[in-house]
Amino acid sequence: SQTIHQWPATLVQPVGSPLSLECTVEGTSNPNLYWYRQAAGRGLQLLFYSVGIGQISSEVPQNLSASRPQDRQFILSSKKLLLSDSGFYLCAWRSPNTGELFFGEGSRLTVL
Amino acid sequence: AQKVTQAQTEISVVEKEDVTLDCVYETRDTTYYLFWYKQPPSGELVFLIRRNSFDEQNEISGRYSWNFQKSTSSFNFTITASQVVDSAVYFCALLYNQGGKLIFGQGTELSVKP
Repeated sequence: SQTIHQWPATLVQPVGSPLSLECTVEGTSNPNLYWYRQAAGRGLQLLFYSVGIGQISSEVPQNLSASRPQDRQFILSSKKLLLSDSGFYLCAWRSPNTGELFFGEGSRLTVL
Repeated sequence: AQKVTQAQTEISVVEKEDVTLDCVYETRDTTYYLFWYKQPPSGELVFLIRRNSFDEQNEISGRYSWNFQKSTSSFNFTITASQVVDSAVYFCALLYNQGGKLIFGQGTELSVKP
């Protein structure tokens, strides 16, 4: 069966420090992968999505970046965090065959 | 522009009442998918339903039902005989751009009181 894992689950970082959140999917190949952020309040903002290795689409200008070094690995990074980067980050994958979309457990980032 | 609107920010009902959560979407694509997700206080997103743009049949799953109407670009979600455990934030989402992009509405926070 397919599974998706995100880590770390919780992160507290000072302003200006780097960030790396990792997401991996198991049990499927060639998934579409997504990074979302949920800031205080509820809206889920699409940050990046990827339809294949090395293919990244960015949705909003920001100091975050994403990479997909392997088929089932999706990484969210920042060189210097801002206070406004605090939030709940969710990784998701979608099967191109079935259309089902599933989310990871989320990573809660607090920037101080 | 592609957009999902959930006009109801918060809804509060008493247990056993029926409640409908509204979702209106905009897209130029002729092929797209619509989703509903539930986010309980624990934070994880739970998949509820997926509907493609060519299937306008309404669906019922236990106390949940969905009404998809392309003519009004709506995909509304009804919970019958609500329970306290239904309390959560519910998101409607649109998948378009040949299956590449998935965007969400702002969510509706449902509070079911005993």
